[in-house]
Order: sequence, then C-alpha cells, then structure tokens
Amino acid sequence: QKEVEQDPGPLSVPEGAIVSLNCTYSNSAFQYFMWYRQYSRKGPELLMYTYSSGNKEDGRFTAQVDKSSKYISLFIRDSQPSDSATYLCAMSAPGNQGGKLIFGQGTELSVKP
Amino acid sequence: EAGVAQSPRYKIIEKRQSVAFWCNPISGHATLYWYQQILGQGPKLLIQFQNNGVVDDSQLPKDRFSAERLKGVDSTLKIQPAKLEDSAVYLCASSSSSFGQGHYEQYFGPGTRLTVT
Repeated sequence: QKEVEQDPGPLSVPEGAIVSLNCTYSNSAFQYFMWYRQYSRKGPELLMYTYSSGNKEDGRFTAQVDKSSKYISLFIRDSQPSDSATYLCAMSAPGNQGGKLIFGQGTELSVKP
Repeated sequence: EAGVAQSPRYKIIEKRQSVAFWCNPISGHATLYWYQQILGQGPKLLIQFQNNGVVDDSQLPKDRFSAERLKGVDSTLKIQPAKLEDSAVYLCASSSSSFGQGHYEQYFGPGTRLTVT
C-alpha cells in the first residue's frame, strides 16, 4: 500500500464548476499537508498548506484535512480554464523526517471554457 | 527574487551513458532536494542536503546515482550508467527552513527531462 493515494483522473469539468480533489494516506505521523499545482512542463508550485486538521481558505481554494479519516481535500470554486493543471497532494512529518515530502500521484484537471 | 534554476532542460542519452544535472537554488536557502518524477507519478525524493551535508539519501540508487553540493550552494546530480527506467523529470527544490523545523515550503525548479533510449 502506498503511503499517499490520489485518484489520477483525468478530471474534466466545465468552467465555473466546483472541483473536489482528494487524497488518502496511511501514515498517522503526517502533520503537514500541502497541495501543489503543476502546469505542463513546469515544476510544482505550492498552492496551500495546512497544519494538522481543519480547513483553510484562500480565494477560490479551500483545503480540508480530516486526520481521523486520514483524508484531505482541495476544493476549487468557480473553476477557470487557467486552473487546468495537475494537482499534487503532499505530506510531511515533523522532526526526524527533515521535511521530506511524500507526494500523491497527482490528479490531472482540465477546465473547459 | 530569482527562482530555482536547473540545466539542461532536456537531455536524451543512450542507456549505459552518463549524464549530469545542475541546480542553483534560491539565494540563502540552506536545504536542497532532488526529486525524480516519472511520467504520471508524483515526485519522489532522491536526496536532501542541509547546507553541504546529506540529510536523507535513503531512496537514491547509490550504485548509479551520485549527488554533491559544494560550498552549500549549487548542486549536481549524476547518473552513471543510465538505464531505460531512469527516463523521468529530475526536479530540484530548495527551502529556507532548517532541519528539525516543522514546515518546509519547498520551491521547485522547472526540471530536467531525461530520456534514455
């Protein structure tokens, strides 16, 4: 079993739709949860990060973490064609892990005008 | 602020040849990471440096891969000899966080796309 599981998609939605992206994980030591966005032929860029459980909102993006279920989500409201990219969840544990990120497989999102 | 620089952007080699990738992190960032991203997968950490010391190289195939970070700034990753399964994008990232801190915001370069034929 992989430490982090993510549905690879691809996911295609019309412009303006609400998008839900999800990851599950198995390592209860994870405390930091991140979402990266990766455009084609570019490096990943940090979109949002959350510490422990709870919600975090930034504009059209909302990140949720449910540690009891080992489940994290990213919601995109009013999706735009410019949101078309691969979304990677990533997690890390504090202390000895030294900030090592464990990434999910990535979900490819396409927002159609 | 300049981002993480990597070169070359693309490289095609035959199996059993050697190849080297170069990374220049964001100025002042103490921590540097090399990741391997195979098509359709998320990045996988190969090696992590804190200044010029290795923090984690547990997933580096040491029989063929090597990396160094001289003077705690630039870094090179080398593969010798290359195998077909090494075809991937090699990403360099850097972070200003120090070892032992909780959160590590990592900034990625554009990557080097390696094709082994």
